[in-house]
Amino acid sequence: EAGVAQSPRYKIIEKRQSVAFWCNPISGHATLYWYQQILGQGPKLLIQFQNNGVVDDSQLPKDRFSAERLKGVDSTLKIQPAKLEDSAVYLCASSLHKSRQITNYGYTFGSGTRLTVV
Amino acid sequence: RKEVEQDPGPFNVPEGATVAFNCTYSNSASQSFFWYRQDCRKEPKLLMSVYSSGNEDGRFTAQLNRASQYISLLIRDSKLSDSATYLCVVASPGGYQKVTFGTGTKLQVIP
Repeated sequence: EAGVAQSPRYKIIEKRQSVAFWCNPISGHATLYWYQQILGQGPKLLIQFQNNGVVDDSQLPKDRFSAERLKGVDSTLKIQPAKLEDSAVYLCASSLHKSRQITNYGYTFGSGTRLTVV
Repeated sequence: RKEVEQDPGPFNVPEGATVAFNCTYSNSASQSFFWYRQDCRKEPKLLMSVYSSGNEDGRFTAQLNRASQYISLLIRDSKLSDSATYLCVVASPGGYQKVTFGTGTKLQVIP
């Protein structure tokens, strides 16, 4: 099966600019996650969707970050305006399970977008 | 206390050695546990789920200790290719499954 697709792979922007990342999950996966991974740290959940609804965005800096998952399939994550501390890898993951189910399926990650803010 | 804690390492071990990592979690209601492997500049990939009874996959053994709230990963006969960062993942129930990653333990297997 095709994996989780993300684009772009790399992005360099100046602070205060805007940037958007795109993710297409594995077909049929109900749950989609966006993670931020800063160098040397584990992935931090930014937002979790079940189909096209948000189930957790408690760690999303909503003053500058936004995300949507129209039609419950692919998703975009936007940063506006970017700050230097936003430099990180942004990982998208999807999972077969629905959020309310206990699962041992795990999560499949895309290759990520490496963002550098200068 | 952090929700999920791991020793960042690095653990430097010779080829053929046995190495073990622990990961502690704070939410006693946590119900799903995983070990992920992340190579440098790559995305995390599922290594194995951790079941209540413990499970083994080749040279890798995962254990869950609910009483002490930790999971462990044992790697026997370490290979150079095992060098990576190992991420502990804990999912907690509720209205939705909250997923928390540890910061990872770096393993370097040396010839």
